Amino acid sequence: DAGVIQSPRHEVTEMGQEVTLRCKPISGHDYLFWYRQTMMRGLELLIYFNNNVPIDDSGMPEDRFSAKMPNASFSTLKIQPSEPRDSAVYFCASSQGGPQYFGPGTRLTVL
Amino acid sequence: GDSVTQMEGPVTLSEEAFLTINCTYTATGYPSLFWYVQYPGEGLQLLLKATKADDKGSNKGFEATYRKETTSFHLEKGSVQVSDSAVYFCALSDNAGKSTFGDGTTLTVKP
Repeated sequence: DAGVIQSPRHEVTEMGQEVTLRCKPISGHDYLFWYRQTMMRGLELLIYFNNNVPIDDSGMPEDRFSAKMPNASFSTLKIQPSEPRDSAVYFCASSQGGPQYFGPGTRLTVL
Repeated sequence: GDSVTQMEGPVTLSEEAFLTINCTYTATGYPSLFWYVQYPGEGLQLLLKATKADDKGSNKGFEATYRKETTSFHLEKGSVQVSDSAVYFCALSDNAGKSTFGDGTTLTVKP
């Protein structure tokens, strides 16, 4: 299997712009997770899905963040409008309920 | 709620030294336990796992034993190499598929 695929790998944008991060989970995995990692706050769970349904979005920092999973093989995390404090590495991970398999991450820089 | 506490870093060792990174957890029920490793610029990778009390997970010379009586899952390696330099995360997963991660411990191995 190709593993979890994320795109883009790097994104540089200006404050106020919309940013969309994409994730393709491992085929057959029914859980999908979005995390954010920064030096200051470490690894934070933003939201997770089970069978394409959002289960817990309590980690989404504010209404500027939204996530969707329209089907079992695709998910997006959108930030609108983006702010400099959103700069971080965003990871997508998938699982079958046990260990999680992480993608390579998207490094987001908001200027 | 569930929580994972791991040894604060950073940890600096000389090559061939013995490694221990402590991890304790709080959880209801009987979680599965994991160690993940993150190399610079990459996502977290599963290093080893244990699913029930007294299980020993092992991989690449690393070991950890699920100790229910002390709620611990300490990571050990008998002889570290420079290539083991990375950040190590202890984690547990509950029956709902969600994982709780520790804050990570940075290991640097010097030649």
